[in-house]
Amino acid sequence: AQKVTQAQTEISVVEKEDVTLDCVYETRDTTYYLFWYKQPPSGELVFLIRRNSFDEQNEISGRYSWNFQKSTSSFNFTITASQVVDSAVYFCALKGAFQGAQKLVFGQGTRLTINP
Amino acid sequence: DTEVTQTPKHLVMGMTNKKSLKCEQHMGHRAMYWYKQKAKKPPELMFVYSYEKLSINESVPSRFSPECPNSSLLNLHLHALQPEDSALYLCASSQDWRGNQPQHFGDGTRLSIL
Repeated sequence: AQKVTQAQTEISVVEKEDVTLDCVYETRDTTYYLFWYKQPPSGELVFLIRRNSFDEQNEISGRYSWNFQKSTSSFNFTITASQVVDSAVYFCALKGAFQGAQKLVFGQGTRLTINP
Repeated sequence: DTEVTQTPKHLVMGMTNKKSLKCEQHMGHRAMYWYKQKAKKPPELMFVYSYEKLSINESVPSRFSPECPNSSLLNLHLHALQPEDSALYLCASSQDWRGNQPQHFGDGTRLSIL
């Protein structure tokens, strides 16, 4: 079975602080794909990043960075110099290449609040 | 603006009503999805359409009836819903269900059952 765990239910920080959202996954597939989505209060899930299991390079996009570590089955997301607009629920998700390939398995989400 | 358009944005209906949710995408995606999301929970998959054919039904009650009239449109017909069906209904699409194609989501329809 595939599973995604986001242990942090809620995080609250003051603007300009750095914050890391944790994501740990389980899968038996040797090839799999990991995703992060942002869900602001408006409801839409916004795709942020995709990572293939065979590509362990970390990625940086502006203030966002992602740390993929296969050895610990983790795909953590860091926001540097957080801003109020970053307040949202963030979901980590997993998709296998074989088992359950049509399904995106979501973590429970982390509600991030950035206070001014 | 999202590239997946859902209408209506809000819907209030009685338990005996019949209504439909609509979803449209013009990205040429061949996989489309319906999800149900309750407050403070992740989205739960309901249906998957691949190349306009239903490929997954996650044991959804028959009071929810999906339809894919063409490759750009996805409907969800609602009939005799229960109060526990009140939720945010999200539509998504992806280039294909295979591989690492990300799903792109609409804004959702907030459904309230009286």
